[in-house]
Amino acid sequence: QVQLVQSGAEVKKPGASVKVSCKASGYTFTGYYIHWVRQAPGQGLEWMGWINPNSGGTNYAQKFHGRVTMTRDTSISTAYMELSSLRSDDTAVYYCTRGSGAFDPWGQGTLVTVSS
Amino acid sequence: QSALTQPASVSGSPGQSITISCTGTSSDVGGYNFVSWYQQHPGKAPKLMIYEVSNRPSGVSNRFSGSKSGNTASLTISGLQAEDEADYYCNSYTGSSTWVFGGGTKLTVL
Repeated sequence: QVQLVQSGAEVKKPGASVKVSCKASGYTFTGYYIHWVRQAPGQGLEWMGWINPNSGGTNYAQKFHGRVTMTRDTSISTAYMELSSLRSDDTAVYYCTRGSGAFDPWGQGTLVTVSS
Repeated sequence: QSALTQPASVSGSPGQSITISCTGTSSDVGGYNFVSWYQQHPGKAPKLMIYEVSNRPSGVSNRFSGSKSGNTASLTISGLQAEDEADYYCNSYTGSSTWVFGGGTKLTVL
């Protein structure tokens, strides 16, 4: 079955960077975009951007320009999202999801906690 | 890009029908048929319920339906069940290869 499995929870200090991975299985990794979405505690979903695993092309939400980098390694069907210059308000669950007009399925989520 | 507007909460009794609205602009909801809806239970990842305005993925109950009129999309749940209690989010393509979510609606089954 189609599945996305993310890396484990992270605790980072303000100003640091975090890199979250998302391993795909059950389908052709290069055939679908991977999107990243985050959810702060008690808040709604926020779209961050996408990567085209085939070409490596990316597009980021304006809010994250300059701080987010999305990459992929096609040899292991894995996408990555790196967020830099972390602040306390970056504390959130980060999800990867397969996109093709809609988002399905979703990874299990990775909690990133930013705290001094 | 501003979030799409959803009511913060809706409620209904078992067996009833409820509708959740999702209001955007002609640059997102009104301009494209890439509107989707997601159900999220506490502590769980979102689940796709409706895609391209009114299509249900395989395995989603036919009690869930979607529609759109102008700049407003709607999700209707008929025959409410206790298991439908969750948060619901709409999403729309906004052009320029970007996407936006609604603020979310908490559904309470009384």
